Amino acid sequence: AQSVTQPDARVTVSEGASLQLRCKYSYFGTPYLFWYVQYPRQGLQLLLKYYPGDPVVQGVNGFEAEFSKSNSSFHLRKASVHWSDWAVYFCAVSMNTGGLSGKLTFGEGTQVTVIS
Amino acid sequence: EAGVTQSPRYAVLQEGQAVSFWCDPISGHDTLYWYQQPRDQGPQLLVYFRDEAVIDNSQLPSDRFSAVRPKGTNSTLKIQSAKQGDTATYLCASSQTGASAETLYFGSGTRLTVL
Repeated sequence: AQSVTQPDARVTVSEGASLQLRCKYSYFGTPYLFWYVQYPRQGLQLLLKYYPGDPVVQGVNGFEAEFSKSNSSFHLRKASVHWSDWAVYFCAVSMNTGGLSGKLTFGEGTQVTVIS
Repeated sequence: EAGVTQSPRYAVLQEGQAVSFWCDPISGHDTLYWYQQPRDQGPQLLVYFRDEAVIDNSQLPSDRFSAVRPKGTNSTLKIQSAKQGDTATYLCASSQTGASAETLYFGSGTRLTVL
């Protein structure tokens, strides 16, 4: 069965520093991968999504992610963190092998705290 | 464009009580999802609909949970006899079949506490 692992439950980063959030997936077939962000007291919002093709995908607010089939990973990066990036970040994989749908398996999430 | 609307925002119950959650998806979105998010965990799919039809409810605890979407628009998720283990945030999401079917738009959720 498919699964997603986010090994870091919490990450603290200084404003202006770079950020990397790790995601490892287990999936039989061609994975479709996503990063969602959950700001305090809000619903989840899509940051970026990967379809088979270019391994580096660009998202909103300066985020990007890199897919690696050999490492079964889909790590999220940002060059310079802003205080507004304080949120919980979720990696997810699409479970639907017959086509795309919102039937997603999510990781446990990584809480990002930004300090000045 | 209005987003996904959920109500109530919070619910506090004793074990054994019933509760219903309501969701209004984005206008025109034919697919609606209910996810359960326990504290400090990722969302887990309970059930999803395309129009009024249930597509997958395999993760829905059928003895106590039920979900309907009678006209293919709004949806209600009901817990018949709540247990402490049901304490979680219940998220509704919607999407549109097509090229971006996997792009979910989430509501703010209903935070349930079962005492």
